[in-house]
Amino acid sequence: AQTVTQSQPEMSVQEAETVTLSCTYDTSESDYYLFWYKQPPSRQMILVIRQEAYKQQNATENRFSVNFQKAAKSFSLKISDSQLGDAAMYFCAYCGSNYKLTFGKGTLLTVNP
Amino acid sequence: NAGVTQTPKFQVLKTGQSMTLQCAQDMNHNSMYWYRQDPGMGLRLIYYSASEGTTDKGEVPNGYNVSRLNKREFSLRLESAAPSQTSVYFCASSSGWGDTEAFFGQGTRLTVV
Repeated sequence: AQTVTQSQPEMSVQEAETVTLSCTYDTSESDYYLFWYKQPPSRQMILVIRQEAYKQQNATENRFSVNFQKAAKSFSLKISDSQLGDAAMYFCAYCGSNYKLTFGKGTLLTVNP
Repeated sequence: NAGVTQTPKFQVLKTGQSMTLQCAQDMNHNSMYWYRQDPGMGLRLIYYSASEGTTDKGEVPNGYNVSRLNKREFSLRLESAAPSQTSVYFCASSSGWGDTEAFFGQGTRLTVV
């Protein structure tokens, strides 16, 4: 079964600093997609970044980048130059060939001014 | 440009009552999902429909039923509500198995007393 583990229930970072959120997953598939979603207090789910497993290059979106280690089944999110608006719950998610989209338990990120 | 629409937004039920949560998407997406979100538990998949005409169980299907009425609509039914089903419920849709992001509804806050 596909499982997604986020080992950090809460993280904090100073404004303008860099923070890394961890995610590991378990799968027997070789082709799949990984995602990071952000959920602010409004409860809206917002896609932050997406990674295709067969692409070696790590995805980047402005201040957000990932460190994808396929052999280790690790998919961490790095947020550079943290801003107050980055404060939110962050979810790691996996989607395999059966179309099942599975989420981790989330990491609550606090940004301190 | 509504995206994913869930109704109702709030609901209070008595133990043993039944209800149906409605979800509709106007993006011609193939896959649709129902999740529940509880504090510390992340988003847990209840049921999903990879394409019109198919439904599959997720992690926590007990106590729920679903119907993929057509390509647009995917409903979630609680036949006999229990306090353990108090949660925030999200519907989501995506075009395929990861090539695009999943879009989420605004959520339904359900309280069972």
